[in-house]
Amino acid sequence: DAGITQSPRHKVTETGTPVTLRCHQTENHRYMYWYRQDPGHGLRLIHYSYGVKDTDKGEVSDGYSVSRSKTEDFLLTLESATSSQTSVYFCAISDKQGNQPQHFGDGTRLSIL
Amino acid sequence: KQEVTQIPAALSVPEGENLVLNCSFTDSAIYNLQWFRQDPGKGLTSLLLIQSSQREQTSGRLNASLDKSSGRSTLYIAASQPGDSATYLCAVEAAGNKLTFGGGTRVLVKP
Repeated sequence: DAGITQSPRHKVTETGTPVTLRCHQTENHRYMYWYRQDPGHGLRLIHYSYGVKDTDKGEVSDGYSVSRSKTEDFLLTLESATSSQTSVYFCAISDKQGNQPQHFGDGTRLSIL
Repeated sequence: KQEVTQIPAALSVPEGENLVLNCSFTDSAIYNLQWFRQDPGKGLTSLLLIQSSQREQTSGRLNASLDKSSGRSTLYIAASQPGDSATYLCAVEAAGNKLTFGGGTRVLVKP
């Protein structure tokens, strides 16, 4: 399995608090992604990165920010969490555009009360 | 905007029967199509990747076909086993190395 670690695995927090999720990879892959998975909506791309300090928005980026200061780490931040951001968040990595599958972490289950 | 659809949403078959899972997409301008498996509470595991120039890809009991012109892909799983019970997701990759996912098909293989 690809070396992807997401932390924390579970988190419960309150509306209005800041939350940061971490994705750490040991594969030295160039591309990293954050998705959320919700019933009825499937997996949707939040943000992605194509290199250190190079990031771009996905389909559902409002309310989220990301940072990538090192190849191995990709952080997802909810500046002021809302109940609509309760979801399961997945990090994924890939090495070469259009030629290799994305590999996924085990997810972070986030509940915002 | 690319849309990916998987029908049916759920499927139940007896052990030993072949599984046929369908995926359709609206925009044929894709780099590849990927099939994933997801077990409850887990992340996604890549099964097969079909490049846009390919018609099919095979791995063991799994075979996936791609008809880009009609916007369809089919995943075949031969001689299903209870361990094949999972949710199967297809996704298409377009410009920008971004995946668009279908809603998945939840499969139950009964012993």
